[in-house]
Amino acid sequence: DARVTQTPRHKVTEMGQEVTMRCQPILGHNTVFWYRQTMMQGLELLAYFRNRAPLDDSGMPKDRFSAEMPDATLATLKIQPSEPRDSAVYFCASGSSTQSYGNTIYFGEGSWLTVV
Amino acid sequence: GESVGLHLPTLSVQEGDNSIINCAYSNSASDYFIWYKQESGKGPQFIIDIRSNMDKRQGQRVTVLLNKTVKHLSLQIAATQPGDSAVYFCADRFTHDMRFGAGTRLTVKP
Repeated sequence: DARVTQTPRHKVTEMGQEVTMRCQPILGHNTVFWYRQTMMQGLELLAYFRNRAPLDDSGMPKDRFSAEMPDATLATLKIQPSEPRDSAVYFCASGSSTQSYGNTIYFGEGSWLTVV
Repeated sequence: GESVGLHLPTLSVQEGDNSIINCAYSNSASDYFIWYKQESGKGPQFIIDIRSNMDKRQGQRVTVLLNKTVKHLSLQIAATQPGDSAVYFCADRFTHDMRFGAGTRLTVKP
């Protein structure tokens, strides 16, 4: 059963600490997305990778957020330093840009971040 | 998808009735549309998709209708069941950019 795997599932951290969230996309998928979900803003696109190259990170606060794909099986989203307003659920999603019908993306279960 | 940001629209239906969830999108250049279902504590799950060259697509108990003239998308769920209770998101795509609406919370009453 192919799925997107995210770690950690839950994280509580103090303001100012570094937070790293990890994502393993579905094997064979070449596109990876990071989304943030809050009650007020809904699902916001933070970053997008295709074939490990970052193509769009315009939705991401550049001063404290960074996203990378060290290899095809791992995507990371880092927040340094974290702030209470970063508290949200962070979703990773993957897809295949070579699919013949649409580019459906599949979501992981999310990383629930609380910054106190 | 159109983001509301403040209130989550809600729809309450009786078990066995049909549900219709609506969504407006803003980008007339969007060429691909998806409906997702999100249950509490989980990530969004794919339900059904449709390309802009179609106006209707059917799945198992679900139908998506696309009206490009008014930039409107709807999801119809036949014979709604308690397990259908969730938040439903529409998403539209232009190039790689998948944008999500705020979602609609569907509650199914037994």
